[in-house]
Amino acid sequence: DQQVKQNSPSLSVQEGRISILNCDYTNSMFDYFLWYKKYPAEGPTFLISISSIKDKNEDGRFTVFLNKSAKHLSLHIVPSQPGDSAVYFCAATFSGNTPLVFGKGTRLSVIA
Amino acid sequence: DGGITQSPKYLFRKEGQNVTLSCEQNLNHDAMYWYRQDPGQGLRLIYYSQIVNDFQKGDIAEGYSVSREKKESFPLTVTSAQKNPTAFYLCATTPRQGGMETQYFGPGTRLLVL
Repeated sequence: DQQVKQNSPSLSVQEGRISILNCDYTNSMFDYFLWYKKYPAEGPTFLISISSIKDKNEDGRFTVFLNKSAKHLSLHIVPSQPGDSAVYFCAATFSGNTPLVFGKGTRLSVIA
Repeated sequence: DGGITQSPKYLFRKEGQNVTLSCEQNLNHDAMYWYRQDPGQGLRLIYYSQIVNDFQKGDIAEGYSVSREKKESFPLTVTSAQKNPTAFYLCATTPRQGGMETQYFGPGTRLLVL
């Protein structure tokens, strides 16, 4: 039973436009959410996170939105750049239990 | 230069052989984790350790073993009981046990079966 779901395996966006990556979760105990970016044959790198007491967190071109009632979060990248092309993983956890639960990832392709 | 080191980058295993993947960190982080990545499967937790001399099984621990004798080191052994070991293995750390912490990942080891 997947607790964190990324239902879109891939997404293509034109350079300069907005990329929106979506993530749904089923466990209402999750209170901390993270996004990671991964290039092939490399370890994931942390992008941005949000705790359940917030509904938005912004860092430069990256913004994460959290809708607790819908158990949904999204990552917005604007403007998208070719270097953003990678696999993006959504992850979740809750206080007192550090292992993250990961989604299966969404492959973003930014086309010049 | 602080960070997480995984070695080797590529590892080949013969049938019936045990192999050990190394993970070392000099970040002084308490907790360490091992994940496996397969195409289209995301990252699945194998084992994790929140303090020295203690570790817990993750979702797919069968066929793997670990030890945590030192804070800096968390080696993963892929035993002959693991029937499908070909994958990309990732080690990660977090500063403290418990709480809400960002995990930091090493560069990974790709294991291939000959």
